[in-house]
Amino acid sequence: GQNIDQPTEMTATEGAIVQINCTYQTSGFNGLFWYQQHAGEAPTFLSYNVLDGLEEKGRFSSFLSRSKGYSYLLLKELQMKDSASYLCAVRDSNYQLIWGAGTKLIIKP
Amino acid sequence: DSGVTQTPKHLITATGQRVTLRCSPRSGDLSVYWYQQSLDQGLQFLIHYYNGEERAKGNILERFSAQQFPDLHSELNLSSLELGDSALYFCASSVGSLFSGANVLTFGAGSRLTVL
Repeated sequence: GQNIDQPTEMTATEGAIVQINCTYQTSGFNGLFWYQQHAGEAPTFLSYNVLDGLEEKGRFSSFLSRSKGYSYLLLKELQMKDSASYLCAVRDSNYQLIWGAGTKLIIKP
Repeated sequence: DSGVTQTPKHLITATGQRVTLRCSPRSGDLSVYWYQQSLDQGLQFLIHYYNGEERAKGNILERFSAQQFPDLHSELNLSSLELGDSALYFCASSVGSLFSGANVLTFGAGSRLTVL
């Protein structure tokens, strides 16, 4: 079966750095996505990785290792507004998106 | 505003009833996806349409059906509603079908369905 694992919940301090991990086992791989979702709101796109390595976009970076079936989302200089759920999704060999359950990130002052 | 419009935003109905949720994709997007998200749960993929044709089906119940019209808007029909159908229903759209680059999904604000 296809599986994506993310921690259920993480807590971090305002101004700090946090790394949210995502491991996947899917039928093939055609890209990995990270989305942010505030409670009760729509998910919004953060990043896309299809090749190994780090993609940096402002305070957010996403890393991919295809050989290890592993990705992480790195959030720097955390702000209270970063409190949200972070969803990892993998596009499989059929180009279908497989979604993780999401990681709820709690930011404390 | 993401450009994806969903109506209604909130809907309260009774068990056994039928409802229709509507989605207008972003201008230029040909693909529409429907997702269900129950309280504190992950996104459950229901169905994907591309330019009027069904492209993929996920965990969609037989009581649910959907279609995409020539003007590219889509409707999700939920019938014989049960308490467990209470959830946020998201529509998302993208430019391509499946094979076009990143094919990032843009989500609408969702329709919150409460079944009493």
